[in-house]
Amino acid sequence: ETGVTQTPRHLVMGMTNKKSLKCEQHLGHNAMYWYKQSAKKPLELMFVYSLEERVENNSVPSRFSPECPNSSHLFLHLHTLQPEDSALYLCASSQEVAVGEKLFFGSGTQLSVL
Amino acid sequence: AQRVTQPEKLLSVFKGAPVELKCNYSYSGSPELFWYVQYSRQRLQLLLRHISRESIKGFTADLNKGETSFHLKKPFAQEEDSAMYYCALSGHNAGNMLTFGGGTRLMVKP
Repeated sequence: ETGVTQTPRHLVMGMTNKKSLKCEQHLGHNAMYWYKQSAKKPLELMFVYSLEERVENNSVPSRFSPECPNSSHLFLHLHTLQPEDSALYLCASSQEVAVGEKLFFGSGTQLSVL
Repeated sequence: AQRVTQPEKLLSVFKGAPVELKCNYSYSGSPELFWYVQYSRQRLQLLLRHISRESIKGFTADLNKGETSFHLKKPFAQEEDSAMYYCALSGHNAGNMLTFGGGTRLMVKP
């Protein structure tokens, strides 16, 4: 499959659960991103990785823990989330982290925290 | 800090009518501006970017530095243009990261 793939598409979890979101890109890109899309807020950048190194951590609570084992895979580990963390989590990739770069998005994981 | 504002959450027009989706930004420097679009049941994707000065699907956008705006325009709307539209900005002062506006839902009625 080409492009950016995210799994699972939907996730329901309790506040005490631990779960992980997965993102995979087949575009040969060097940069990967996690965005949060809530119903009443603009898309919020959470984390950015460039060549597997984290270059941005946008004041995200520690209950969200990213992992980038290689330039094609990105994970978001979740634990002790709150109901307000319910949102659509989007993964994206780009060739580089540079001004003017085009981002390619996945379909997202719709997360519900009960 | 950089900011992107899309004042209209919803814009409804009839087919064939002109469309203008407003975008204003706040940035100290020379930003790069983008429009992303999300059609129903599809992923978010790039529509056009200022740096390319292109016209995609009949849409154009002009960067007005004096008014700090990057409005998206199309002279004749089509029903298939119905979607969520997001204006976005990136720049060296923002660590090259993309900052999005809140989005505008465009509904084109037959």
